[in-house]
Amino acid sequence: EADIYQTPRYLVIGTGKKITLECSQTMGHDKMYWYQQDPGMELHLIHYSYGVNSTEKGDLSSESTVSRIRTEHFPLTLESARPSHTSQYLCASSVRQGLAFFGQGTRLTVV
Amino acid sequence: AQKVTQAQTEISVVEKEDVTLDCVYETRDTTYYLFWYKQPPSGELVFLIRRNSFDEQNEISGRYSWNFQKSTSSFNFTITASQVVDSAVYFCALSENSGYSTLTFGKGTMLLVSP
Repeated sequence: EADIYQTPRYLVIGTGKKITLECSQTMGHDKMYWYQQDPGMELHLIHYSYGVNSTEKGDLSSESTVSRIRTEHFPLTLESARPSHTSQYLCASSVRQGLAFFGQGTRLTVV
Repeated sequence: AQKVTQAQTEISVVEKEDVTLDCVYETRDTTYYLFWYKQPPSGELVFLIRRNSFDEQNEISGRYSWNFQKSTSSFNFTITASQVVDSAVYFCALSENSGYSTLTFGKGTMLLVSP
């Protein structure tokens, strides 16, 4: 059973607002990831981290940023939300090759 | 570059029918890992199975079975005697042998099981 938590579960926010999506895991995993899931279901990697103070951009270009100051915490920030950012954001952590455990996701709507 | 193709966008079956979800992958690596995840309406991704490229044995877990064939680059998933609770989106994914362990997902297959 994986212990990875995302907050909030749902968020509706106005254009131009700054938002931070929270992700925490209690398993001590070094590797963490953010995936964006568009309304057509497709999942795209937008950020990942191997450990504290390491972050990398994923396959899909994203205007979001991430930080990894603590092993257990991997927040994602949008400085200025736009309607094109409307999506579901899924956080995951992994301890070995590809075996990722996912949080319940944050459904973001920007109006 | 790696790629995963799930050609079936949506499948509808009646309860107790068997159903097979197709997955075809592309990679240049000789060592890689294949996965299936289930996404119920609640939204989280639930891990179902992980298979490495050197293990072509089929696997059965209850009503679920997986057929891995390197010759055709396929990793198909069969649900036997489907149930309404199986209704979900199913994703096939690939992870190449790198330290990053990132996953490349297919576009998903939505399975609808009606009573």
